[in-house]
Amino acid sequence: KAGVTQTPRYLIKTRGQQVTLSCSPISGHRSVSWYQQTPGQGLQFLFEYFSETQRNKGNFPGRFSGRQFSNSRSEMNVSTLELGDSALYLCASSGRGGRSYEQYFGPGTRLTVT
Amino acid sequence: DQQVKQNSPSLSVQEGRISILNCDYTNSMFDYFLWYKKYPAEGPTFLISISSIKDKNEDGRFTVFLNKSAKHLSLHIVPSQPGDSAVYFCAASEYSGNTPLVFGKGTRLSVIA
Repeated sequence: KAGVTQTPRYLIKTRGQQVTLSCSPISGHRSVSWYQQTPGQGLQFLFEYFSETQRNKGNFPGRFSGRQFSNSRSEMNVSTLELGDSALYLCASSGRGGRSYEQYFGPGTRLTVT
Repeated sequence: DQQVKQNSPSLSVQEGRISILNCDYTNSMFDYFLWYKKYPAEGPTFLISISSIKDKNEDGRFTVFLNKSAKHLSLHIVPSQPGDSAVYFCAASEYSGNTPLVFGKGTRLSVIA
């Protein structure tokens, strides 16, 4: 079974621009979560989508948004980029049933804001 | 306030010996606990999990122990191998599938040959 894929793997943007990151979950998984990893803050939850609906949201400003499509693929968007948005953005998917708390991560997108 | 804490930022162990990584949590509502391993420039890889109704779960060289009264869990790796060198994250969730994972800040394990 193919794992979680994320595109692009690396991205360099300028302050003030916007960016869209993409995530394809494991086949059959309907829940997709996004996390931001920075050296100082560790892994922090951004939001989770399930069946095209945002089910949970972390404590991030409104510049961070996301969506999920009917095929469970998800995108996250960051508008008006700031230097502090430089981070590794990770997507994770989880399935249904008793082990649905187990999340499987993609390789991440490394975003650098200059 | 950190709900999941990994108080040791790093750990060095000789190849073949036991590695013990520790994690403490403060939220008594956590029901599920997970360990992930992460190499640089890669996403975390799921290792093993445990639910709050158990106190031990084994998978090959990896065993997770949960002490609910102490709000403490640990990951034992026996025997440790050089390929185990990575950052290990402890994570917790309040209940199955509906709440986000809360992560500790990680412990860097170095297994010395």
